Amino acid sequence: DGGITQSPKYLFRKEGQNVTLSCEQNLNHDAMYWYRQDPGQGLRLIYYSQIVNDFQKGDIAEGYSVSREKKESFPLTVTSAQKNPTAFYLCASSRGFGANVLTFGAGSRLTVL
Amino acid sequence: GIQVEQSPPDLILQEGANSTLRCNFSDSVNNLQWFHQNPWGQLINLFYIPSGTKQNGRLSATTVATERYSLLYISSSQTTDSGVYFCAVEAAGNKLTFGGGTRVLVKP
Repeated sequence: DGGITQSPKYLFRKEGQNVTLSCEQNLNHDAMYWYRQDPGQGLRLIYYSQIVNDFQKGDIAEGYSVSREKKESFPLTVTSAQKNPTAFYLCASSRGFGANVLTFGAGSRLTVL
Repeated sequence: GIQVEQSPPDLILQEGANSTLRCNFSDSVNNLQWFHQNPWGQLINLFYIPSGTKQNGRLSATTVATERYSLLYISSSQTTDSGVYFCAVEAAGNKLTFGGGTRVLVKP
């Protein structure tokens, strides 16, 4: 079945360390997204990519970096510059950018110790 | 940017009850989606509904774009309906913006 796979599901990190979250999709979607969710809150857009080798900053991109070298993959790196990285991170994809249905992965929960 | 407000923030229902969730938005939109987030964090798309009315089993949704609101109806609620319901909207050429969600608890 087609879908989005995020890994790891749970991740613990010490302050000052970078960590990379994986997102892989086999839906043949062009657009991919990373969202952050804090407890009791809605989702906020970190980065998005409309097509391979292209990505744009979302609303809260500071302290994060991404790459889009393959259509299927959109990894997110949480750098040590992110002041409050503990959160639930959700990856999504859509057939195209704009006016398209989003499909989400199961999420990765990052805790900074 | 566009503002999205959902109400009520919390809802407790007895199994079998009906309910209505509301999403108000501040600008014209060309994309509106309703999602359900289960207790484990997985988000599932319920409806893509920038205008009009759709139904899917016990759930239905109506968007009145000219008045900038959307409603999600849950009929004959079940415990599996518990979770958080999000409305997300997109203005033309812009990104999808999520509301704060409505947390629903259905008691047996």
